[in-house]
Amino acid sequence: GESVGLHLPTLSVQEGDNSIINCAYSNSASDYFIWYKQESGKGPQFIIDIRSNMDKRQGQRVTVLLNKTVKHLSLQIAATQPGDSAVYFCAENSGGSNYKLTFGKGTLLTVNP
Amino acid sequence: GAVVSQHPSRVICKSGTSVKIECRSLDFQATTMFWYRQFPKKSLMLMATSNEGSKATYEQGVEKDKFLINHASLTLSTLTVTSAHPEDSSFYICSAANSNQPQHFGDGTRLSIL
Repeated sequence: GESVGLHLPTLSVQEGDNSIINCAYSNSASDYFIWYKQESGKGPQFIIDIRSNMDKRQGQRVTVLLNKTVKHLSLQIAATQPGDSAVYFCAENSGGSNYKLTFGKGTLLTVNP
Repeated sequence: GAVVSQHPSRVICKSGTSVKIECRSLDFQATTMFWYRQFPKKSLMLMATSNEGSKATYEQGVEKDKFLINHASLTLSTLTVTSAHPEDSSFYICSAANSNQPQHFGDGTRLSIL
């Protein structure tokens, strides 16, 4: 999950296991959240989003959970594959009209074969 | 859908050179484009927000005369790093959005100033 410090938080899992990546967001007024995946040397890739009127949303092999009470967001990846290895960022939009996002620090997911 | 193309992917040039980076939304009209800078193993740092046909809004601490942004059409924004110096070396990433599309990102430009 997210943490303060110089080093990127890391999560190491075995291929086939489920992964859970956590994010604590900062603004209680945020009403829209996105998870992005960033592979080395590339730009962030949209994975899944969720609005604040929902607490769960599922995609293909991914599920996002939102707990507004404690300002917590998680990304669950089922049957993690080596191709899932990347840095994952959560992002929040605080309701501004300009689609502006605030990004978390990121979590490095490493999938071991 | 929602493809964003960024060019060039890598630039190496001498100190004092100005460098232009292009960001294009290929299959949707981007009313808003964003420019980020990313340091190794760090998160994305927003530099500026640009709306088509308007002046860009720069984040605190970002020099607007150093990082010139133009968003002349709904599919193209450019970032020009003027008189680049080694401390400007970084990974620059753009994104594009509209009312139907959240931010989708280009693949970044690795800028190296010698």
